[in-house]
Amino acid sequence: QVQFQESGPGLVKPSGTLSLTCVVSGDSISIDTWWHWVRQTPGKGLESIGEISQSGATSFNPSLDGRLTITLDKSKNQFTLRLTSVTAADSAVYYCARRAASRGYVFDYWGQGTAVTVSS
Amino acid sequence: EIVLTQSPATLSLSPGERGTLSCRASQSVGSHLAWYQQKRGQAPRLLIYGAFNRATGTPARFSGSGSGTDFTLTISSVEPGDIAVYYCLQRSSWPLTFGGGTKVEVK
Repeated sequence: QVQFQESGPGLVKPSGTLSLTCVVSGDSISIDTWWHWVRQTPGKGLESIGEISQSGATSFNPSLDGRLTITLDKSKNQFTLRLTSVTAADSAVYYCARRAASRGYVFDYWGQGTAVTVSS
Repeated sequence: EIVLTQSPATLSLSPGERGTLSCRASQSVGSHLAWYQQKRGQAPRLLIYGAFNRATGTPARFSGSGSGTDFTLTISSVEPGDIAVYYCLQRSSWPLTFGGGTKVEVK
């Protein structure tokens, strides 16, 4: 059973940087899996924002306008999101999730979500 | 970006009734569509992937069908525990996109 532990600040100031870390247990960051961030807001619903593969290759949603970085630390079995120049529109519940070839390349395991508010 | 449109927005059913949820894509996604169930305060849970494959632990009363642009999630006999919002997801092209959701209520 794959489990995730998300951590990060619940409050970030406008124009600041949001950093969230997801620690993976029950699975190692291996081939045929991608480690993803999804966010959810009442207004926009669920939004896929980006992912990283076990080789370190990244893909980002173009809507983030180059503000997003995702890094991987295999030694700690964790991956980290960094979103710069945040605004109120980045307030959301952020989920980390696994995308696996064994499940048709869709999200089969999710973290519990962490709520982030952008406010001064 | 592929837009997924779900209907109806809300589906109100009595226990034992059959429920049909629709997901329509703005362009073909082949069979690269999944369905998720999200209960209040929880993360989404994978129900169906590849349009019709049940994920581990998905009850047999849930079934998926369709291909191309039109997909259906059917609940053959709804139970009170099925109260949730149901989302479709396409993974055919980047960025991956979700539908807006169908809220299932049980009378």
